[in-house]
Amino acid sequence: GESVGLHLPTLSVQEGDNSIINCAYSNSASDYFIWYKQESGKGPQFIIDIRSNMDKRQGQRVTVLLNKTVKHLSLQIAATQPGDSAVYFCAEKSPYAGGYNKLIFGAGTRLAVHP
Amino acid sequence: KAGVTQTPRYLIKTRGQQVTLSCSPISGHRSVSWYQQTPGQGLQFLFEYFSETQRNKGNFPGRFSGRQFSNSRSEMNVSTLELGDSALYLCASSLSSQNRGKGEKLFFGSGTQLSVL
Repeated sequence: GESVGLHLPTLSVQEGDNSIINCAYSNSASDYFIWYKQESGKGPQFIIDIRSNMDKRQGQRVTVLLNKTVKHLSLQIAATQPGDSAVYFCAEKSPYAGGYNKLIFGAGTRLAVHP
Repeated sequence: KAGVTQTPRYLIKTRGQQVTLSCSPISGHRSVSWYQQTPGQGLQFLFEYFSETQRNKGNFPGRFSGRQFSNSRSEMNVSTLELGDSALYLCASSLSSQNRGKGEKLFFGSGTQLSVL
């Protein structure tokens, strides 16, 4: 089935702390996942992606962890900065789209970074 | 390289009217997808085009349609607008079709904010 976002939880952190944003995805057959960041008035901005043959991938200040057993993704942001304040979405590539790109988005988490 | 460009940025229409939104993908990108974003439903897939062909369609009524041109630019149309069509409409492009079966990152534009009165 399709995930539908109805709630927008908020994570509040202090500047310099590490942030962990969690996401539960829908389909055990999904094999590709992306994290996006959306700032007010802008479209989603790509952060990092991961394929299902991996359980961890690191970028600059960000790490994505994938736990296929419980269908869970997390995004870790190191040394969180005020510029990281935004809404973060996880997305999974639908396994029911003929192999083409159709993303199913989570509800999103608002990250608020306090100085 | 220029990003995904969507026009117009804002649009106000009344119920019953129709609207056309435009999207220019990143140069070299051949796949264009459209998503609707609302506070209540989040980001919902509308459709995806490649080489002027619709490859996938989301669960939206037939009032929502789209097309892609030979230069990969895309338009979406909503006819007989309803109040519930008020949303941010996002266009995203991706590089190629050769990665069928493999995911590839989508790059989004800033969207068209549609308000239906």
